[in-house]
Amino acid sequence: AQKVTQAQTEISVVEKEDVTLDCVYETRDTTYYLFWYKQPPSGELVFLIRRNSFDEQNEISGRYSWNFQKSTSSFNFTITASQVVDSAVYFCALSSNAGGTSYGKLTFGQGTILTVHP
Amino acid sequence: EAGVTQFPSHSVIEKGQTVTLRCDPISGHDNLYWYRRVMGKEIKFLLHFVKESKQDESGMPNNRFLAERTGGTYSTLKVQPAELEDSGVYFCASSQGLNFYEQYFGPGTRLTVT
Repeated sequence: AQKVTQAQTEISVVEKEDVTLDCVYETRDTTYYLFWYKQPPSGELVFLIRRNSFDEQNEISGRYSWNFQKSTSSFNFTITASQVVDSAVYFCALSSNAGGTSYGKLTFGQGTILTVHP
Repeated sequence: EAGVTQFPSHSVIEKGQTVTLRCDPISGHDNLYWYRRVMGKEIKFLLHFVKESKQDESGMPNNRFLAERTGGTYSTLKVQPAELEDSGVYFCASSQGLNFYEQYFGPGTRLTVT
């Protein structure tokens, strides 16, 4: 069975602080993908990043960075110098082949509510 | 390019009534997924279409839920009869390819059953 855990239900920071959102996953598959999505107040989930299980290189995109560590089954997301516009719900998700029975369906974590205060 | 659209944005119905949700995927995306988030819980997979065929409906909660995708374009999700526990936000997503392609989500339909 697959599982994604986002232990932080809510995080509150002041603008310009750095913040890290934790994500821990469980899967028996050796091939899998990890995702982060952002849900702003408008409601739709916005795709941020996809990472495959064979690529443990960290990735940076502007103020966003992701740390993937297979040894700890974690895929953490850091926002540097946070801004008010970063306030949203952030979801971590996992997709795997599940022995050939899965076709891309996502298993989500519970989500982390991030509030950035001015 | 238009994103995934869903209609209605919000629906309030009484227990026992029928509701139909609609999703229009991104043009050219053969894969269409339905997910649901019940209050306070994680987003859960319901089913997956490839074109007009149901590829995986393992997440459908029971036979009160019926999904269709006529002609491989838009999809509908009908709940009949609705129960209180069906309340939640129903998301639709589409993707260009199978297996691990990023999925693009619509804004969701908030369903409230009273």
